[in-house]
Amino acid sequence: DIQMTQSPSSLSASVGDRVTITCRASQGIRNDLGWYQQKPGKAPKRLIFAASSLQSGVPSRFSGSGSGTEFTLTISSLQPEDFATYYCLQHNSYPRTFGQGTKVEIK
Amino acid sequence: QVTLKESGPVLVKPTETLTLTCTVSGFSLSNARMGVSWIRQPPGKALEWLAHIFSNDEKSYSTSLKSRLTISKDTSKSQVVLTMTNMDPVDTATYYCARGSPPDYWGQGTLVTVSS
Repeated sequence: DIQMTQSPSSLSASVGDRVTITCRASQGIRNDLGWYQQKPGKAPKRLIFAASSLQSGVPSRFSGSGSGTEFTLTISSLQPEDFATYYCLQHNSYPRTFGQGTKVEIK
Repeated sequence: QVTLKESGPVLVKPTETLTLTCTVSGFSLSNARMGVSWIRQPPGKALEWLAHIFSNDEKSYSTSLKSRLTISKDTSKSQVVLTMTNMDPVDTATYYCARGSPPDYWGQGTLVTVSS
């Protein structure tokens, strides 16, 4: 199975900050990576697929980059509604695997 | 409008078999791109991918849970069913079904508690 290592596990940031979350795959997965946002009590919401393709309706302050084994989710200017937990998911091979999540909290 | 909705018991006893149903609308389970996955999340913990069924009825399972899981579908009823045998308290979680891979649409989730 492909292991996904996500970092950091949590971070504190202020509104307006630039935030970066990293996901590393245990083997190359081309650009087959998605990013999800989850708020308490809610189902995850897809933000990015294929590493850098923005899901329709998602604000442009969210962006994804990377290929192979290292990937990044960037929030260019953190907004109050962005405080949530973020997960990466590799969709290169089965079984699919998620990262362990990054909780973005208010500083 | 695409929707998915999970249904099943809220409480199961240890050693019992869990059966969950995902009823979908707004797309067909026979669509080549529209497989369905099951994903779970224990309280306060990370998401865990469980299983996926493709439009051609091929299946894929979590390596660690493969021996306990069965996924199936009834295209005419627009339903995907997940069974998990020999339930244990550590299987307490919210169980989600989701469309496609990587999933775009998700159900609201259903919390299943395993307790005697």
